[in-house]
Amino acid sequence: GQSLEQPSEVTAVEGAIVQINCTYQTSGFYGLSWYQQHDGGAPTFLSYNALDGLEETGRFSSFLSRSDSYGYLLLQELQMKDSASYFCAVRDKNTGFQKLVFGTGTRLLVSP
Amino acid sequence: DTEVTQTPKHLVMGMTNKKSLKCEQHMGHRAMYWYKQKAKKPPELMFVYSYEKLSINESVPSRFSPECPNSSLLNLHLHALQPEDSALYLCASSQDDRENYEQYFGPGTRLTVT
Repeated sequence: GQSLEQPSEVTAVEGAIVQINCTYQTSGFYGLSWYQQHDGGAPTFLSYNALDGLEETGRFSSFLSRSDSYGYLLLQELQMKDSASYFCAVRDKNTGFQKLVFGTGTRLLVSP
Repeated sequence: DTEVTQTPKHLVMGMTNKKSLKCEQHMGHRAMYWYKQKAKKPPELMFVYSYEKLSINESVPSRFSPECPNSSLLNLHLHALQPEDSALYLCASSQDDRENYEQYFGPGTRLTVT
């Protein structure tokens, strides 16, 4: 099976940098995705790491270390609108990778 | 157009009612998904349709019945639900069901079972 652990909540102030960690245990690994979900909204895709290293997309970056079964999402120059829940996710090998399994989720609160 | 639409936005139904949730995408995606999400929890997969055929049913009770009439539409038929079925029901689609295709989510239907 798959399990992905994240901190339940992270707080930060506008303009700061915050890192949201994800540790996973999987029976087969095909990459780590990150999704953002605002309260009452739909999850939206942020990034995907198939290989080790850092992927940068604007203010957001995502990192993967397959040897450590660990990844993180880095948010820079935080804005109030970044207050949301963030989920890491992996594909489940047992379903031929059709099934997306989400982490426990991290609620980010950005204050002025 | 990268939008997945869902109707209705909100639904209140009794335990003896029959209702349907609808999902539509016009991105040419061939994989479509139903998820259930409880408050402060991650989405949990219910069903996957790949090329209009049901490919995954995550042991969902039969009171939930999915249907994929064509490649753009996905329905979830509800019958004899229980109060614990109250949740946000999310539809998603992806270009294919392979591992490196991102999923696009609709805004969800917030379902309350009374």
